[in-house]
Amino acid sequence: GAGVSQTPSNKVTEKGKYVELRCDPISGHTALYWYRQSLGQGPEFLIYFQGTGAADDSGLPNDRFFAVRPEGSVSTLKIQRTERGDSAVYLCASASGRAYNEQFFGPGTRLTVL
Amino acid sequence: DQQVKQNSPSLSVQEGRISILNCDYTNSMFDYFLWYKKYPAEGPTFLISISSIKDKNEDGRFTVFLNKSAKHLSLHIVPSQPGDSAVYFCAAIIQGAQKLVFGQGTRLTINP
Repeated sequence: GAGVSQTPSNKVTEKGKYVELRCDPISGHTALYWYRQSLGQGPEFLIYFQGTGAADDSGLPNDRFFAVRPEGSVSTLKIQRTERGDSAVYLCASASGRAYNEQFFGPGTRLTVL
Repeated sequence: DQQVKQNSPSLSVQEGRISILNCDYTNSMFDYFLWYKKYPAEGPTFLISISSIKDKNEDGRFTVFLNKSAKHLSLHIVPSQPGDSAVYFCAAIIQGAQKLVFGQGTRLTINP
């Protein structure tokens, strides 16, 4: 079956612009996660959805970052007034229920802010 | 504050030999640990995990060891194969918290 997909695979934008990154989880997975991976680092947690609601958004770095999952499936990570420091690979993962070892990751979106 | 640390950025091992990847953590609340493998341009893929109530878990060529008193875990791959060349991430989680805390990763290269 299809895995987690993320679009676009690459996004180049200018400082100050607004961007949206999309994640399509595995069908039927109720849990959805966003992580950010900077160069030379491991992924860092941003936000976790259980269904439509954000159960934990403690990893969002500031109020320029926002994520939604209006129908409990597709999620969009939104970044306002992008900064060069936002450049990273943004990873999405999904899981069924509370199975921690079953977070399936997508290929990521590489965001470059010029 | 890096709660999960992988102090070796890279490791090179000859094909057929044992690869040992190490990971240390500082938060004693972590009670579940995972190893992920990552190829270029792909997302991390789950490899093996271990609960804090165990000290060893084995799956084929992969074995994870946990030393809770030292807050240390390791991944053993034996025998190592060229397809094992990838970046390996150690991750930890507090039960109920859902979010994985990752180390910085170790790039493993298996030489023929």
